[in-house]
Amino acid sequence: NAGVMQNPRHLVRRRGQEARLRCSPMKGHSHVYWYRQLPEEGLKFMVYLQKENIIDESGMPKERFSAEFPKEGPSILRIQQVVRGDSAAYFCASSPIGLAGDSEQFFGPGTRLTVL
Amino acid sequence: KQEVTQIPAALSVPEGENLVLNCSFTDSAIYNLQWFRQDPGKGLTSLLLIQSSQREQTSGRLNASLDKSSGRSTLYIAASQPGDSATYLCAVRLRDSNYQLIWGAGTKLIIKP
Repeated sequence: NAGVMQNPRHLVRRRGQEARLRCSPMKGHSHVYWYRQLPEEGLKFMVYLQKENIIDESGMPKERFSAEFPKEGPSILRIQQVVRGDSAAYFCASSPIGLAGDSEQFFGPGTRLTVL
Repeated sequence: KQEVTQIPAALSVPEGENLVLNCSFTDSAIYNLQWFRQDPGKGLTSLLLIQSSQREQTSGRLNASLDKSSGRSTLYIAASQPGDSATYLCAVRLRDSNYQLIWGAGTKLIIKP
């Protein structure tokens, strides 16, 4: 059973370009969470999605950021018109159960975004 | 608002020492607390998860304790080795939003051979 997969592992973009980060949850998991880690800081919750639904996007900036988790395929975190402040590590986690139960989140290796 | 603090921010000790990493949180209404390890440029490895009803968890040379009333957790590493060098993060899962993890900034640990 493969773990949570994220790609690319490293992404370099110039200011103004778009960044697309992908996350494939563990097999059998239908809940995905995205976190951002700025340099020398802890992770910050961004968004929680179930298949085809955004459950909680309270941690995601209102402008330029969007996330989806389609019925088929990976979850995508999209950042439009990137700025230098978007440079960070973006981690995805998945779990088999969302709002109820004793479910642990399993983390992917992260995507390190560098904006030049 | 839940805040998680980890002290010290960095720690360097000789190999073989026993050491304690600290994590404190401001709101005791947590679902569980988890300790992770993060190696430079790499992902997160879950080390120990303590449910709110538990006092401690052990795995090998690692022991984590939880005192909800005082808002504290400690991670004890016995007989430290150079391979233990990493950043250690603690995260609490909120009771009223039982999926969101609130993270500390981590303790960067260096074990000198």
